[in-house]
Amino acid sequence: DIQMTQSPSSLSASAGDRVTITCRASQSISRYLNWYQQKPGKAPKLLIYAASSLQSGVPSRFSGSGSGTDFTLTISSLQPEDFATYYCQQSYSAPPTFGQGTKVEI
Amino acid sequence: QVTLRESGPALVKPTQTLTLTCTFSGFSLTTSGMCVNWIRQPPGKALEWLARIDWDDDKYYSTSLKTRLIISKDTSKNQVVLTMTNMDPVDTATYYCARITNPQSSGFDYWGQGTLVTVSS
Repeated sequence: DIQMTQSPSSLSASAGDRVTITCRASQSISRYLNWYQQKPGKAPKLLIYAASSLQSGVPSRFSGSGSGTDFTLTISSLQPEDFATYYCQQSYSAPPTFGQGTKVEI
Repeated sequence: QVTLRESGPALVKPTQTLTLTCTFSGFSLTTSGMCVNWIRQPPGKALEWLARIDWDDDKYYSTSLKTRLIISKDTSKNQVVLTMTNMDPVDTATYYCARITNPQSSGFDYWGQGTLVTVSS
């Protein structure tokens, strides 16, 4: 199975900050990388698919980049509603695997 | 619109078999490329993918859990069923079903609200 490693595990930020979360795959996954946001007690929400494509309805302050083994999720200007946990997930090969999550806190 | 909803027991005893049903609407599991997945999340922990069934009835399972899992579908009822045998307290988690329209190039775009399953005697 492909291992996905996110960093950091948690971070503290303020509204308006630029935030970057990194995801690394244990082998090359081309651009088959997706990002999710999860708030407490809720199901995850798809933000970015195929490394950099913005899911419909997701604000443009979210962006993704990367290919191969290294990927980044960037929030350009953190909003109060963005405090949540973020997960990356590879869809290059079955079984799909998730990172351990990054909690973005105030 | 697309919706998914998980149903099943909230409490199971150790060694019992868990059966969960995902009832969906707004799409058909006979459409080429369409897949339904099961994903779980223990309290306070990360997401873990469990199983997937495709429009053509191909099935995929978690490497570590494949001996305990069976996934099936009933397209006439718009339902996907997951069976997990020999339940253990470590299987306590919220179980989600989620749709994917292309297993490689798209993410899980619609999710159910999740159902919490507690394994305890």
